[in-house]
Amino acid sequence: DSGVTQTPKHLITATGQRVTLRCSPRSGDLSVYWYQQSLDQGLQFLIQYYNGEERAKGNILERFSAQQFPDLHSELNLSSLELGDSALYFCASSVSAGANTGELFFGEGSRLTVL
Amino acid sequence: SQQGEEDPQALSIQEGENATMNCSYKTSINNLQWYRQNSGRGLVHLILIRSNEREKHSGRLRVTLDTSKKSSSLLITASRAADTASYFCATGQGGSEKLVFGKGTKLTVNP
Repeated sequence: DSGVTQTPKHLITATGQRVTLRCSPRSGDLSVYWYQQSLDQGLQFLIQYYNGEERAKGNILERFSAQQFPDLHSELNLSSLELGDSALYFCASSVSAGANTGELFFGEGSRLTVL
Repeated sequence: SQQGEEDPQALSIQEGENATMNCSYKTSINNLQWYRQNSGRGLVHLILIRSNEREKHSGRLRVTLDTSKKSSSLLITASRAADTASYFCATGQGGSEKLVFGKGTKLTVNP
């Protein structure tokens, strides 16, 4: 158990809809990262928050947004969903601000299926 | 974009054999990390090697880093069926703090 909690584990929705994925980081970790994993694109970095502020941005679509709340949990909002958004979405956390300075702890992921 | 590229994409071996996976990357790095992912599960950190280190061990794992060739290798000795998983290398992208993963090597260890 990594200590990172993601909900929901599975989500099935229709094209055009909006969903929210939630992540609670490990106790004491200030950084939260979101990654998207699909068969054809591999593991893609979306966005990182550190102590409530956006720290780094990756290949995140404009239809996607995220935030980190004062209690450090994070939400990833996906809107106007398309079939291609079907993927596993992972949240990870770390103590440090820089992802490449130490270990990331991953949650078990939220599997999104868009029909 | 992928910073690290693992090779081979897939590897199938017998229990007890050693498994070697390679990772190549494109830009300078602070460190390189290896992660493991069981099918459909979250990634688990295995080992981190800093740019000034050449080799690191952790249990049955041995990681090497050659910064002149921009490559790393992960060796799993005396493999077990439970080692069956995908293995990813991850590096910082240039001067960025982002951690970018390769597409992974899928290892199958047959009992």
